[in-house]
Amino acid sequence: KAGVTQTPRYLIKTRGQQVTLSCSPISGHRSVSWYQQTPGQGLQFLFEYFSETQRNKGNFPGRFSGRQFSNSRSEMNVSTLELGDSALYLCASSGNPRRTNYEQYFGPGTRLTVT
Amino acid sequence: DQQVKQNSPSLSVQEGRISILNCDYTNSMFDYFLWYKKYPAEGPTFLISISSIKDKNEDGRFTVFLNKSAKHLSLHIVPSQPGDSAVYFCAASKETSGSRLTFGEGTQLTVNP
Repeated sequence: KAGVTQTPRYLIKTRGQQVTLSCSPISGHRSVSWYQQTPGQGLQFLFEYFSETQRNKGNFPGRFSGRQFSNSRSEMNVSTLELGDSALYLCASSGNPRRTNYEQYFGPGTRLTVT
Repeated sequence: DQQVKQNSPSLSVQEGRISILNCDYTNSMFDYFLWYKKYPAEGPTFLISISSIKDKNEDGRFTVFLNKSAKHLSLHIVPSQPGDSAVYFCAASKETSGSRLTFGEGTQLTVNP
């Protein structure tokens, strides 16, 4: 079974631009969560999507948004990029349809650098 | 506020010995705990988990202990191997928060041959 895939793996953007990152969960998984990892803040939860609906949201500004498609693939978008948005963005999928916080399986991440 | 804390940023052990990684939490609503291992340039890999109704869970060389009264959990790796060298993250979740995981800061484990 293929794992979680994320594209692109690396990205360089300039301040003020916007960016879209993509995540394909493990086949059959319906929950997709996004996390930001930075040296200073560690792994921070961004949001979770389940069956195309945002089910949970972390403490990030509205510049961070996401969506999920009917095939469970998810995208996250960051508008008006700031230098502090430079981070590793991780996507995780989970298959448990009822108990929603069982083990999550992470993709390799997208390394975003904002200059 | 940091609800999950790993107070040791690093730990160094000899191959074959036991590695003990510690984690403390403050939110009594957390009811499920997980450990992840992370290598550079890769996403975290799930290792082992424990529900709050248990106090121990074992999987091969890995054992997680949960002390609810102390709000403390630990991961034991026996015997430690050089390939175990990685950053270990403790994570916690609660049923009302969907799939949201709250992570600790991580502990860099180095196993010396």
